[in-house]
Amino acid sequence: QKEVEQNSGPLSVPEGAIASLNCTYSDRGSQSFFWYRQYSGKSPELIMFIYSNGDKEDGRFTAQLNKASQYVSLLIRDSQPSDSATYLCAAQKFGNEKLTFGTGTRLTIIP
Amino acid sequence: SAVISQKPSRDICQRGTSLTIQCQVDSQVTMMFWYRQQPGQSLTLIATANQGSEATYESGFVIDKFPISRPNLTFSTLTVSNMSPEDSSIYLCSVATGQGYEQYFGPGTRLTVT
Repeated sequence: QKEVEQNSGPLSVPEGAIASLNCTYSDRGSQSFFWYRQYSGKSPELIMFIYSNGDKEDGRFTAQLNKASQYVSLLIRDSQPSDSATYLCAAQKFGNEKLTFGTGTRLTIIP
Repeated sequence: SAVISQKPSRDICQRGTSLTIQCQVDSQVTMMFWYRQQPGQSLTLIATANQGSEATYESGFVIDKFPISRPNLTFSTLTVSNMSPEDSSIYLCSVATGQGYEQYFGPGTRLTVT
């Protein structure tokens, strides 16, 4: 079982709709979770991180964490074609700055 | 956040040679990381580099193949030694900073070994 799992996609969402990206993790020692966006040919760009149960909002993005279910998600509201990219979920354990990445979900926003 | 630069941005190298990749940060950071991203795949951590101590390598990566230097708090190098076509990949450095120790990535070095 991989430590961090994501559906590889592709996930296709109409422009203006909500895109929902999911991530599960196996290690209960994981404390913080990070979402990165990676455009083709570019390096990963941090969107946001979350470490408390519940929701965290930043503009059109909302991260959700459920530690009991070992589940993290990223919602993108009012999806734009520019949101088309691969989204990477990463987990970090307490006291350890290392990140473990999932395989990423490729998101396509359809105009 | 941090501004990170890498050199070279890309290179084509012959089998058996070595390439040193440089990573420069615009502020002092304790932790720097080196990753590999093979085509169509996610990021795999090669090693963690702390200033003043030897790098810590992940399973499957060894110092002889990927020697790392960290001479100060703003700079690090990764050498890919005795290269083979299997080393063709994107190599990324990152730094951990901020309250969440979130990592920011450099632009990457695209390496092709022929």
